[in-house]
Amino acid sequence: DSGVTQTPKHLITATGQRVTLRCSPRSGDLSVYWYQQSLDQGLQFLIQYYNGEERAKGNILERFSAQQFPDLHSELNLSSLELGDSALYFCASSPVLGVTNTEAFFGQGTRLTVV
Amino acid sequence: AQSVTQLDSHVSVSEGTPVLLRCNYSSSYSPSLFWYVQHPNKGLQLLLKYTSAATLVKGINGFEAEFKKSETSFHLTKPSAHMSDAAEYFCVVSESGGSYIPTFGRGTSLIVHP
Repeated sequence: DSGVTQTPKHLITATGQRVTLRCSPRSGDLSVYWYQQSLDQGLQFLIQYYNGEERAKGNILERFSAQQFPDLHSELNLSSLELGDSALYFCASSPVLGVTNTEAFFGQGTRLTVV
Repeated sequence: AQSVTQLDSHVSVSEGTPVLLRCNYSSSYSPSLFWYVQHPNKGLQLLLKYTSAATLVKGINGFEAEFKKSETSFHLTKPSAHMSDAAEYFCVVSESGGSYIPTFGRGTSLIVHP
């Protein structure tokens, strides 16, 4: 158990809908990262938050947004969903701003299926 | 900018034979390098990490990797494969002095035959 909790584990929704994925980082970790894992793109970095502030953006679509709350949990909001958004979404956390001497700890992921 | 290339998308071995999963990286700064494993329908688990200390790094479950700066490589090895090693393996780079964001390779699927 990595200590990172993601809910829900599975989500099935229709095209055009909006969903929210939740991540609770390890106790004390200030950095949260979101990744999307799909068969054709591999593991793609979406966005990073550190202590409530957005710090880095990757290949995140405009239809997607995220935030980190004062209690450090994070939510990833996906709207106007398309079939191609079906993927496994991972959250990771680390104690400090970056991942250098310490690794990122990953949750079990949320599997999103858009039908 | 940082990037990582896993040279094989699939590696197939027999149980009890050595495992070699190849990874090359590119980094403008001193890199930190990691190997993660993902078993079917599971999350990502850290196998080992290199963070500029010893170049030969030992990890869990008998895996080890050697950092070779001259070859920009960080290959993962194990002397003897177990059936339970069958999984997806990811090489990851993060730059000290760079973006610090872990960047993943495309993954190598390890298949272990009885």
